[in-house]
Amino acid sequence: AQSVTQLDSQVPVFEEAPVELRCNYSSSVSVYLFWYVQYPNQGLQLLLKYLSGSTLVKGINGFEAEFNKSQTSFHLRKPSVHISDTAEYFCAVSGRSGNTPLVFGKGTRLSVIA
Amino acid sequence: DAGVIQSPRHEVTEMGQEVTLRCKPISGHNSLFWYRQTMMRGLELLIYFNNNVPIDDSGMPEDRFSAKMPNASFSTLKIQPSEPRDSAVYFCASSFLWAGEQKTKLFFGSGTQLSVL
Repeated sequence: AQSVTQLDSQVPVFEEAPVELRCNYSSSVSVYLFWYVQYPNQGLQLLLKYLSGSTLVKGINGFEAEFNKSQTSFHLRKPSVHISDTAEYFCAVSGRSGNTPLVFGKGTRLSVIA
Repeated sequence: DAGVIQSPRHEVTEMGQEVTLRCKPISGHNSLFWYRQTMMRGLELLIYFNNNVPIDDSGMPEDRFSAKMPNASFSTLKIQPSEPRDSAVYFCASSFLWAGEQKTKLFFGSGTQLSVL
């Protein structure tokens, strides 16, 4: 089974400042990793995913994440945030084989302050 | 494409009443997932289907919860009887076959906000 820990439940940051949202996972098998974003009163949307290859993954809206196998981490970063980035961000993991489902972390609420 | 469609958007009911949540997945998708979101527990997987067959229902909290997928274009999640602790946002999501290297992404509906008084 897989599990995900998002270390910060809330992250306030000023507009145009950089941000890092932390994610650690646990799994006994190889995994796929994902970040999803949820804007108020909406469902989740995929930001980016790591399936294989380069450990630095670029997603939509200027976000990127780096897979670190030795530290079992998949932190999300953006060099300069905008007010519109205010949302809930979810890290998720799935085992590579079979049909193991997507397991989500509890989320990190990013609040961008003008 | 209309995306994943859930109904109703909001449901307010009294304790003890039956509640039915509905989901229409994206056409052509053959994996469907029901998630529940609360402040305390985050996003929890309740059950998921591949090709209309339940694959894993270990997340269903108790016998009061049941889910069906009678065909590829429709699924229901039923709570009977409902209790105040069932209050949450319930999301439905669909994808192409969720298996092996085909695990790409889930498409989520907008959710049903359930309040049990």
